[in-house]
Order: sequence, then C-alpha cells, then structure tokens
Amino acid sequence: GENVEQHPSTLSVQEGDSAVIKCTYSDSASNYFPWYKQELGKGPQLIIDIRSNVGEKKDQRIAVTLNKTAKHFSLHITETQPEDSAVYFCAASTGGAGSYQLTFGKGTKLSVIP
Amino acid sequence: EAQVTQNPRYLITVTGKKLTVTCSQNMNHEYMSWYRQDPGLGLRQIYYSMNVEVTDKGDVPEGYKVSRKEKRNFPLILESPSPNQTSLYFCASSLIGTGKETQYFGPGTRLLVL
Repeated sequence: GENVEQHPSTLSVQEGDSAVIKCTYSDSASNYFPWYKQELGKGPQLIIDIRSNVGEKKDQRIAVTLNKTAKHFSLHITETQPEDSAVYFCAASTGGAGSYQLTFGKGTKLSVIP
Repeated sequence: EAQVTQNPRYLITVTGKKLTVTCSQNMNHEYMSWYRQDPGLGLRQIYYSMNVEVTDKGDVPEGYKVSRKEKRNFPLILESPSPNQTSLYFCASSLIGTGKETQYFGPGTRLLVL
C-alpha cells in the first residue's frame, strides 16, 4: 500500500519568514495530494490540494509543488503569521481512479514565533 | 451550514463496555470514513464506505465495526473496547468522482478506555 513520509516533524520560524514542509510518497498511482491544517482541539481542515496533472498551485500565501518523477510534494507558506501555528498533514490518494483512501504523513507541528 | 458532526465529543468508558460513536453529514456525500489519530502516528483509516450498505476495511479495522444504513450516517461501533483503543477519532466525508475528492472532517471524539 501507499506510504507517506513527512518532514520535519517540528518546525519553528520567526513571524514573516517562510516555512517549507516536505512529503514523499511510494505509490506511483497516487494522483491527489491534499494538505490539511489541524488547530488544537479541532478536526483537520483542507488548506490546499494538488492533482498529478499540475506541478504547482498557489493560494495567497500558500503554495504546493509536486514532482511526480521524484514522488515528492511540498507545502510552502510565505510571510508566516502566528495564526499559522498548527499541525500540518500531507496525504496521498489515488482519488478518482477508484480508491478514495487518504494515506497521511505523521504531521508537522509548525510554531510561528511573534 | 455544511458540516460533519460527531457525538459524543468526549467519552470515558471501561474495558468491554460496548459503545457507539455517531457521525452525520449534511452534504449528501457518498464517501464516509473513520480515522484514528495517535501521537506520532498521524491519522490512520479504520473503515470507509463508498455508499449505503457498502463498507470496507481501512488500515486498522481490528476491534471496530461500522454500518451505513443511511447516506448521511456512519456510526463507529466498539463491541468490546480495550485500552489500546484510547485515541482521538475523526469521521470524514466526501463526494465521489475525479476532482471531488476533498474530505471534510468532523470535530473529533476523544475516547479513553480504562
């Protein structure tokens, strides 16, 4: 089955700096890669996703890049703010190809220091 | 408001006492899933359902049961809970189809089995 590795497990940045979280996956059939943000006491919430037919996607201060050949994808957060502090999870799925099972990385705890 | 709801949010029980955690969504989603979240392990899928009366095992199904008698509800049943099922549980749902795979998560149920 799919295996998703996520690094780093913890990340501290100064407010205004950029943060990068990286994930690798093992199943070349995976074609859907969402990123979730989990705030304390809440369920994960989708912040951005990318499908295998594109290499990069941006939404304001958040961007995701995908390298299908190397089987890795990354989350980039620019101009970080204290409210970005949370646990971030990457995931992979074969999506519409028949399986909707999300395989998650183990998470990255991001701390933005004011 | 489109949402996934779970009840109860917190539950303390004893070994062997059957319990049910309810999950309901109001988005007419075909796909529903249960995950458990443990420190250092991320989110792992327990069971999922592609539609009414269609359920299948995820990665960690032992000790759990599910049913899908109605489209909106997907209860998680622990027939004989054990301490190793102490965890944070999340229900999620999504549409089915390429481009519609976004999973929406409930707020979580924290379970302690003594």
